[in-house]
Amino acid sequence: DGGITQSPKYLFRKEGQNVTLSCEQNLNHDAMYWYRQDPGQGLRLIYYSQIVNDFQKGDIAEGYSVSREKKESFPLTVTSAQKNPTAFYLCASSPNGRTGSSYEQYFGPGTRLTVT
Amino acid sequence: AQTVTQSQPEMSVQEAETVTLSCTYDTSESNYYLFWYKQPPSRQMILVIRQEAYKQQNATENRFSVNFQKAAKSFSLKISDSQLGDTAMYFCAFMKHNAGNMLTFGGGTRLMVKP
Repeated sequence: DGGITQSPKYLFRKEGQNVTLSCEQNLNHDAMYWYRQDPGQGLRLIYYSQIVNDFQKGDIAEGYSVSREKKESFPLTVTSAQKNPTAFYLCASSPNGRTGSSYEQYFGPGTRLTVT
Repeated sequence: AQTVTQSQPEMSVQEAETVTLSCTYDTSESNYYLFWYKQPPSRQMILVIRQEAYKQQNATENRFSVNFQKAAKSFSLKISDSQLGDTAMYFCAFMKHNAGNMLTFGGGTRLMVKP
């Protein structure tokens, strides 16, 4: 089945450790996105990538890093510099975001990160 | 920059009744798209409905329909014949045309459908 997978569903880390969240898609989408969701709030954009080997900061990129070495993969690293890393993280993808057309985003199931 | 506002943090409706969720947005763009996403307790984001700003006709998907008022920058979601499975957070989102499919989300409305 085509879709977006995020692993693991729940992740626990000690403060001061870096942690990498996985996001894989087999939809052949060019664009991928990372969002953060805090309790009772909407989604805020962390990073996005429109094409392999290229990515841009979103609204809340501080303390996070990403890579886009393959079209199907867009891992997010939460570094120790992120002051409040505990949150729900959602990955999304969409078809070619660089043309004149506009497409909705498709979301993965999310990863709940708890840092203590 | 665009902003999206959902003024109803929580709403409830009886099963089989109709409920309307409100969304307003602020933009200087003339060509854009609006979406409603649903996030049930599983937290999976699911697209409910999409509206192109250049279309005057309101979008409809089964029991879900929108009231799109471009001049008023209003985009409400009507759920008819509410079902228990409609219980979820609902997010309104804005997308500027030809801008990398970037979404701006509202803060969400928590809908509870009561039996």
